[in-house]
Amino acid sequence: AQSVTQLGSHVSVSEGALVLLRCNYSSSVPPYLFWYVQYPNQGLQLLLKYTSAATLVKGINGFEAEFKKSETSFHLTKPSAHMSDAAEYFCAVSRFGNEKLTFGTGTRLTIIP
Amino acid sequence: GAVVSQHPSRVICKSGTSVKIECRSLDFQATTMFWYRQFPKKSLMLMATSNEGSKATYEQGVEKDKFLINHASLTLSTLTVTSAHPEDSSFYICSASSIRLAANKGVSYEQYFGPGTRLTVT
Repeated sequence: AQSVTQLGSHVSVSEGALVLLRCNYSSSVPPYLFWYVQYPNQGLQLLLKYTSAATLVKGINGFEAEFKKSETSFHLTKPSAHMSDAAEYFCAVSRFGNEKLTFGTGTRLTIIP
Repeated sequence: GAVVSQHPSRVICKSGTSVKIECRSLDFQATTMFWYRQFPKKSLMLMATSNEGSKATYEQGVEKDKFLINHASLTLSTLTVTSAHPEDSSFYICSASSIRLAANKGVSYEQYFGPGTRLTVT
């Protein structure tokens, strides 16, 4: 079975500060890992994904994540937060890219002006 | 990128009635579609996996007779909530999976999400 744990259901950062959202995974096979963003009353938008290629993955809107097998982590970062980054962020894992996703509980990111 | 639509975006129905939600892949063929449910301020929970031309695979605890899924074509899957009750009120999101063969990159799997349907049962 696969699972993801997102530490911190709510993260607040100042505008211009570093964003760090944590995700740890558990998987019996090499995982596919994803970060999605959700704005209120909307669906999910893919930020980035790890598919066993480069361990440092760059996504949209300046976000990136690093796959660390030794730490079973896939933390999401952005060097400088913008007000528009305020949203809910979900980490997810699957066995293959087209298989069902198992989501973490989500982290709500608030940006302080 | 590929586009997945859902219809309706919002629906309010009375308790005891049935509601159908459509999920369409607009510019690609999806052999597999997934239906998720999201409670307020909660994560997404997979309800079922829908494969074109075959019966859906339901997750444990999901009533297949209550949540009817049909995947009649490679671009359309429907979720029907039968005899809806207030506890069925939720945000339902579908996703569609495609497989792409890219030159020098091999097989690429992509999964795209619809915008969601807000169901309110009164």
